[in-house]
Amino acid sequence: DQQVKQNSPSLSVQEGRISILNCDYTNSMFDYFLWYKKYPAEGPTFLISISSIKDKNEDGRFTVFLNKSAKHLSLHIVPSQPGDSAVYFCAASLEGTYKYIFGTGTRLKVLA
Amino acid sequence: ETGVTQSPTHLIKTRGQQVTLRCSSQSGHNTVSWYQQALGQGPQFIFQYYREEENGRGNFPPRFSGLQFPNYSSELNVNALELDDSALYLCASSASIGLNYGYTFGSGTRLTVV
Repeated sequence: DQQVKQNSPSLSVQEGRISILNCDYTNSMFDYFLWYKKYPAEGPTFLISISSIKDKNEDGRFTVFLNKSAKHLSLHIVPSQPGDSAVYFCAASLEGTYKYIFGTGTRLKVLA
Repeated sequence: ETGVTQSPTHLIKTRGQQVTLRCSSQSGHNTVSWYQQALGQGPQFIFQYYREEENGRGNFPPRFSGLQFPNYSSELNVNALELDDSALYLCASSASIGLNYGYTFGSGTRLTVV
């Protein structure tokens, strides 16, 4: 039972354009969401997070949008850069638990 | 400030053997979690340790066990290895038990069971 789903295993975007990575979840009790980026041979790196009481959080080129009614969140990267090429994982957590539940990841390739 | 370091980086073991993976937390971090990432999957939570006590456990059998030491470094032990245990094992540390602080991940140990 995959509670957090990233249905696009890969995405290619031209440099300078917008990258949109999507994530769906099934548990309406999730109260915190995060995006991690992973380069080969490195551990995941925290990118940006959002609490369930918000619908948008912005940090530089990265913006995360949360649509609770649709149980959907997305990560927008504008403008995309070749260095953004990596695997992106969304993760969710439940208050009172001690774990993240990760999606399966989306491999982003930004073409120069 | 050092990050999270894991050792070894790669390991090959035979089915039925036992393995110990090690993790040094980021300085000042007292909480450590272990995750298993199988090929093509996202990381799956194994367990978390906070101040040397297990503080939560995922859906993994008892042959997966752990320790956290007074200096907050940690070990993951897996007994009676199975082929399906082949995966990247990630250690993540945090300055607090609360998840909202975000975790710092190590680069992982890639375990291959043959």
